[in-house]
Amino acid sequence: DIQMTQSPASLSASLEEIVTITCQASQDIGNWLSWYQQKPGKSPQLLIYGATSLADGVPSRFSGSRSGTQYSLKISRLQVEDIGIYYCLQAYSAPPTFGGGTKLELK
Amino acid sequence: EVQLVESGGGLVQPGRSLKLSCLASGFTFSNYGMNWIRQAPGKGLEWVASISSSSSYIYYADTVKGRFTISRDNAKNTLYLQMTSLRSEDTALYYCARRGYFDFWGPGTMVTVSS
Repeated sequence: DIQMTQSPASLSASLEEIVTITCQASQDIGNWLSWYQQKPGKSPQLLIYGATSLADGVPSRFSGSRSGTQYSLKISRLQVEDIGIYYCLQAYSAPPTFGGGTKLELK
Repeated sequence: EVQLVESGGGLVQPGRSLKLSCLASGFTFSNYGMNWIRQAPGKGLEWVASISSSSSYIYYADTVKGRFTISRDNAKNTLYLQMTSLRSEDTALYYCARRGYFDFWGPGTMVTVSS
């Protein structure tokens, strides 16, 4: 199985700050990487698919990038509604595997 | 508007069975692969099973293989998960999600396995 190592596990940031979360794949997954946001008590919401494509309705302050087998989610100017837990997912090969999650809090 | 609504969860004793449903609307259900993903209380996300649009391809996580069965009825726009020989470690919120990269998720249905 492909392992997705997500970091950091938790992150405290200030409003308007730039936030970056990364996922390291244990092998090549191409662009088969998605990012999700989960707010408390809610189901996950797709933010980024294909490593860099913004899902419909997602604010443009969210962006995704890839460097080899390392993938990053960037929030350019943190807003209060961005608080939650973020997960990456590789869908390159079965079984699909999630990163462990990053809990994003306001400082 | 794409909507997925899970149902069928509840409290069940270890070793017993439960069948979950996911009713889809707002899109052509028969055109999309579907998935079940679960989340144990306070934990991360775990993929459970996937089924292709015509049920030709089915995959399971090793943790549920041989105990869970994913199926679908395209005429009823409904996805199912038949769970047997339930264990305490199957306790989780079960989500259905659309297509290979899980673009839409339902709100989930809670399954609690306890005596």
